Amino acid sequence: ETGVTQTPRHLVMGMTNKKSLKCEQHLGHNAMYWYKQSAKKPLELMFVYNFKEQTENNSVPSRFSPECPNSSHLFLHLHTLQPEDSALYLCASKIGNTEAFFGQGTRLTVV
Amino acid sequence: KQEVTQIPAALSVPEGENLVLNCSFTDSAIYNLQWFRQDPGKGLTSLLLIQSSQREQTSGRLNASLDKSSGRSTLYIAASQPGDSATYLCAVRSDDKIIFGKGTRLHILP
Repeated sequence: ETGVTQTPRHLVMGMTNKKSLKCEQHLGHNAMYWYKQSAKKPLELMFVYNFKEQTENNSVPSRFSPECPNSSHLFLHLHTLQPEDSALYLCASKIGNTEAFFGQGTRLTVV
Repeated sequence: KQEVTQIPAALSVPEGENLVLNCSFTDSAIYNLQWFRQDPGKGLTSLLLIQSSQREQTSGRLNASLDKSSGRSTLYIAASQPGDSATYLCAVRSDDKIIFGKGTRLHILP
């Protein structure tokens, strides 16, 4: 256990559905990240939040909408996804210059 | 734009051997470098973190080195065991971003 919890662990959704991924940490970290991991590709940074403010959006399509209501929670709202969005979505958190901790990920399948 | 490369992409070695995994990065302006391991379908487990001012870090059978000026890091695994089989990922922190390599898939043969 890293202290970073992601729910759900698995999600199957249709292209017209709306769903949300949740990430939670009570480690006192102030920075939170969303990554996408597809087969045979490096982890792709999607969004970065520092003290609840978005500091990085790595040209992510608008069908992915992040939300960070406080430093402990991070959401990724999904709507009208495409099959190529199927991947493992990983959340991470850290504070300052210390090590980053990752959750177990949500395995998303878009049908 | 920071790019991270890991060599080799895959490696199979007999149990008990010592091995070295390599990581290189294009922009030496980093805050730190972190090595992770990932088991299939799982999240990432942090192994070692090296700050930009440090040269190496050790944890058990693992030793990671950092040469920031040349943009290189190595992860040394001593006396490898079948349980070490996993994908090993190198990541560098630049500003707010943590950028990953594609990883080295390691298989330890019993």
